[in-house]
Amino acid sequence: EVQLVQSGGGLAQPGGSLRLSCVVSGFTFSSYEMDWVRQAPGKGLEWIAYISHSGSTIYYADSLRGRFTVSRDNAKNSLFLQMDSLGAEDTALYYCARVGLPMDAFDVWGEGTMVAVSS
Amino acid sequence: EIVMTQSPATLSVSPGERVTLSCRASESIRGKLAWYQQTPGQVPRLLIYDASTTATNVPARFRGSGSGTEFTLTISGLQSEDVAIYYCQQCYIWPRTFGQGTKVEIK
Repeated sequence: EVQLVQSGGGLAQPGGSLRLSCVVSGFTFSSYEMDWVRQAPGKGLEWIAYISHSGSTIYYADSLRGRFTVSRDNAKNSLFLQMDSLGAEDTALYYCARVGLPMDAFDVWGEGTMVAVSS
Repeated sequence: EIVMTQSPATLSVSPGERVTLSCRASESIRGKLAWYQQTPGQVPRLLIYDASTTATNVPARFRGSGSGTEFTLTISGLQSEDVAIYYCQQCYIWPRTFGQGTKVEIK
């Protein structure tokens, strides 16, 4: 069974940091591109980051202003999102998502992990 | 950045009726459009990719169409389990922008 299991969310103070993880199983992780998508409470979906299957190509949403870093460890079937200088606007449910083959859309999603930024 | 605009914002439909959702891109996305369904409290689910290709295990009543900048998701015969927010997403260039969503309700 294909699974994306997320962890690492929680409460952070403004200006603080969190690291999200997404551990996958049931498919060959190194063959797939991955993305992060977030959803603020009661709001729509916002794409925030992409990483190629090898990790050599990365894109970010402009709204992140260079504060987030996406990475992956193919040997450990893991995807990461390092989030620094957090602000209230980063409060959201964060999803990891797999880019399907041979499509460019997200065919498998993690269950989401909540990040709340508050003092 | 390509802006995706969905209409209407909310749609109230009787069971069994046909539902038509629209998605417009601010520039051509060459058919690289996906539709997702998010039922209340659930993770988004891929319905359609490449504008008209139905994803695995998606019921046949869901159909996508369109090209260039204008796209449509049609639900032929709304069922109670189709109550959800539907999002379009352009998969042509980064950032991979989403529309704001259309909420489908049962009348």
